[in-house]
Amino acid sequence: AQTVTQSQPEMSVQEAETVTLSCTYDTSESDYYLFWYKQPPSRQMILVIRQEAYKQQNATENRFSVNFQKAAKSFSLKISDSQLGDAAMYFCALEAGGTSYGKLTFGQGTILTVHP
Amino acid sequence: ETGVTQTPRHLVMGMTNKKSLKCEQHLGHNAMYWYKQSAKKPLELMFVYSLEERVENNSVPSRFSPECPNSSHLFLHLHTLQPEDSALYLCASSLGAGQANYGYTFGSGTRLTVV
Repeated sequence: AQTVTQSQPEMSVQEAETVTLSCTYDTSESDYYLFWYKQPPSRQMILVIRQEAYKQQNATENRFSVNFQKAAKSFSLKISDSQLGDAAMYFCALEAGGTSYGKLTFGQGTILTVHP
Repeated sequence: ETGVTQTPRHLVMGMTNKKSLKCEQHLGHNAMYWYKQSAKKPLELMFVYSLEERVENNSVPSRFSPECPNSSHLFLHLHTLQPEDSALYLCASSLGAGQANYGYTFGSGTRLTVV
């Protein structure tokens, strides 16, 4: 079975500063994919960034980057130059093979507040 | 219209009512999903459909009944719900049930309140 854990229920950051959201996961599969989703007040989950486990290079998407530590099963999200529009709930998710093939397992979420 | 569309956006129903949630996608995806999002809990997978065939029923009570008439539409029929069923119900789609490694596209959800 796959598990995803986000240990920070809430985080806050000043506008233009950098914040890191933590995520750890567990899977026995060797081939898997990790995601960060953003859920703003509009409720629609938006894919922020995707990481393939077999790639050692950390994924980046503009101001968003990840620190993927495969041995430690850690997958943190760094948001640089935070903007007010970044305020949302952030979910870490895992897609692995085996019996969870094709299904995403989500963490509990982290609420990010951005202060002007 | 593109993306994943869910209706209604909000729903209040009594425990004896029967209602349906609707989800529609025009992305050409072949897999669709229902998730339940409750406060302070991880998203819970309820059902998975691949090419209109149910491939997963994640121990969901029978008062929730899914229907997938074609690859673009997904319904969740509700009857005799309990107050603890109040939650945000999210629909999602992916290229295929075995291709969720590209992630899902989500709708905006239906906020359900059972009174």
